Parts: sequence; structure tokens; C-alpha cells
Amino acid sequence: GAVVSQHPSRVICKSGTSVKIECRSLDFQATTMFWYRQFPKKSLMLMATSNEGSKATYEQGVEKDKFLINHASLTLSTLTVTSAHPEDSSFYICSVSGTGYETQYFGPGTRLLVL
Amino acid sequence: AQTVTQSQPEMSVQEAETVTLSCTYDTSESNYYLFWYKQPPSRQMILVIRQEAYKQQNATENRFSVNFQKAAKSFSLKISDSQLGDTAMYFCAFMKSPWNTGNQFYFGTGTSLTVIP
Repeated sequence: GAVVSQHPSRVICKSGTSVKIECRSLDFQATTMFWYRQFPKKSLMLMATSNEGSKATYEQGVEKDKFLINHASLTLSTLTVTSAHPEDSSFYICSVSGTGYETQYFGPGTRLLVL
Repeated sequence: AQTVTQSQPEMSVQEAETVTLSCTYDTSESNYYLFWYKQPPSRQMILVIRQEAYKQQNATENRFSVNFQKAAKSFSLKISDSQLGDTAMYFCAFMKSPWNTGNQFYFGTGTSLTVIP
């Protein structure tokens, strides 16, 4: 399967600052990348779907101006949490998929703590 | 809309024993894929097994096998010879045919499995 990395693995920031999380597909041409949020002992909540070179599609209830997603290449997508607040503290996971490909491969996740 | 239900929030099994995790789903699609993912304490999501709905034969991967009942919309995971490393959260997931838009997954709420030494 595809190897997916995320950077950073954990980040602590002050309230009001912006944080960028990178998701890289190391050995796979990821035409589609997904961003999830996961609360402790809960399931994954899909935030947005991004296709390479186009705007991300956000799920209902997810603020696109707060969670900026860029998918500029087949190997890199970024999630920027703008003006982070403590309630944005969570575990963020990306996954990758390819056109017509029936499996998603997940990154190791990024733990965000906003103080 | 697709829904995935895992009715067992927590389960435990003795090491070397067999355990079955339940998953049901609701869809009007005829062609789709089903998955079981494992999330150990490291929180890395790992693909355990995958089933194509058009295949009648149940998928198997070493100690992991599924019981896919398409008419009943049931997709249970059987873990044989349970090992301590199987302790994890297990998520059932549904995806419409990848030839549809989005490749979007619908996840169940998860089952926390503990293997007891």
C-alpha cells in the first residue's frame, strides 16, 4: 500500500496563531486526499476532500475559511488551521487515494493542542 | 446516505481465542467496497481487510476473515488466534464504487478490542 507521512506529528500553539499540517504521499500519485478529525475514542470525522489542482470540497459544518486546504501536487496536501482556538485541539489525519482506486491509505496523524 | 453501524463499543478476548466484530451498513448502491481498519494505540490507521461487494467469496488475510452477507448488509470481522498486538480500535468502513465521485469513506463508530493475556 501507499506510504503516507504527516508533519508535524504533534504541535502545540497559542490561541490565535495559525498552524500548517503537511500530508505527503511518498510513493503514490494521490489524485484525491482526505482530511479527517478524530476526537479521543471516537470515529473519524471527514472534514474535506481535495483533488489535485482543484478546490477542496468541505463537509457540512466545516468552516472552509478556518481550515484551509491546498492540494497543489499529486504528493502533497496541506491543512492550515487559521486563528486556532482551544476547541480546535484534536487529532488530524490525512489519507490518500487514486482515481478508481478502492482503498484509502492513512497518514500517522497530527496531534494539535491549542493553549 | 450510507450509514455504518458497529453495535459493540467494546470487546475483549483471551489470547489465542477467536473473536468476531459486527458491522452492518445501509445503502441502496449495488456496487461498493467494505473495509476493516485497525487503529492501535499509536493511532495509525492500518488496513486489515477489504471486500468487494460483487465478489461472493469472503475475503481472508491470514488470521483475519470476514463474513459478508450482502442481502443482510452485514460485514463481520473474525480474528482467529488472537494476539496481544491485535489490541486496537477497529473501524468498519463503506465506500461506493471508486468510479463514482469522491472515493468517500463512511466509517462506523468503532469497536475497542482488548486481547487479554
